[in-house]
Amino acid sequence: AQTVTQSQPEMSVQEAETVTLSCTYDTSESDYYLFWYKQPPSRQMILVIRQEAYKQQNATENRFSVNFQKAAKSFSLKISDSQLGDAAMYFCAYRIAYSGAGSYQLTFGKGTKLSVIP
Amino acid sequence: GAGVSQSPRYKVAKRGQDVALRCDPISGHVSLFWYQQALGQGPEFLTYFQNEAQLDKSGLPSDRFFAERPEGSVSTLKIQRTQQEDSAVYLCASSYAQGTEAFFGQGTRLTVV
Repeated sequence: AQTVTQSQPEMSVQEAETVTLSCTYDTSESDYYLFWYKQPPSRQMILVIRQEAYKQQNATENRFSVNFQKAAKSFSLKISDSQLGDAAMYFCAYRIAYSGAGSYQLTFGKGTKLSVIP
Repeated sequence: GAGVSQSPRYKVAKRGQDVALRCDPISGHVSLFWYQQALGQGPEFLTYFQNEAQLDKSGLPSDRFFAERPEGSVSTLKIQRTQQEDSAVYLCASSYAQGTEAFFGQGTRLTVV
């Protein structure tokens, strides 16, 4: 079974600074996707960034980038120029790339609560 | 609709009561998921529909949990004889097709007292 581990329950960052959230995962599959989701107090999960395991290049979306280390099964999220609106719970998630008639469900970590200090 | 809509946003149930949680997916989305998110935890998979077919219900914690999507659009998650451990946020997500990006609703927070 796949597992996703986020070892930092809480993190804080000064506004305009950079912060890195950690995630490790365990899988026997070779083709899969990794995601970072943001969950503000409204509870709605918002996709921040996605990485395909077959791609060596790290994904980037504006101020958000990842450091994907496939051999180490590590997938960290870097937030640059942190803004007050970045404060939220962040979840790392895994999904198999192909499962035939399977459900493609997401497996989530327990989350990291990010606070942004003005 | 513009996004995934869930109702009610909040539900308080007395232990032993039956509850029904509704999910309106994005129009045209074939795949629909239910997740359960306990306090301080990440969401955990409950069940999956492709159109009206429930293809995976491996995450349902007990036979008190039942989900349906009779016309391949709106889905209802029903919990019978609720217990305190059922207290959680129930999230619904839909996607256009198998394996495409899932869009989440704002969830229903269920509190069993």
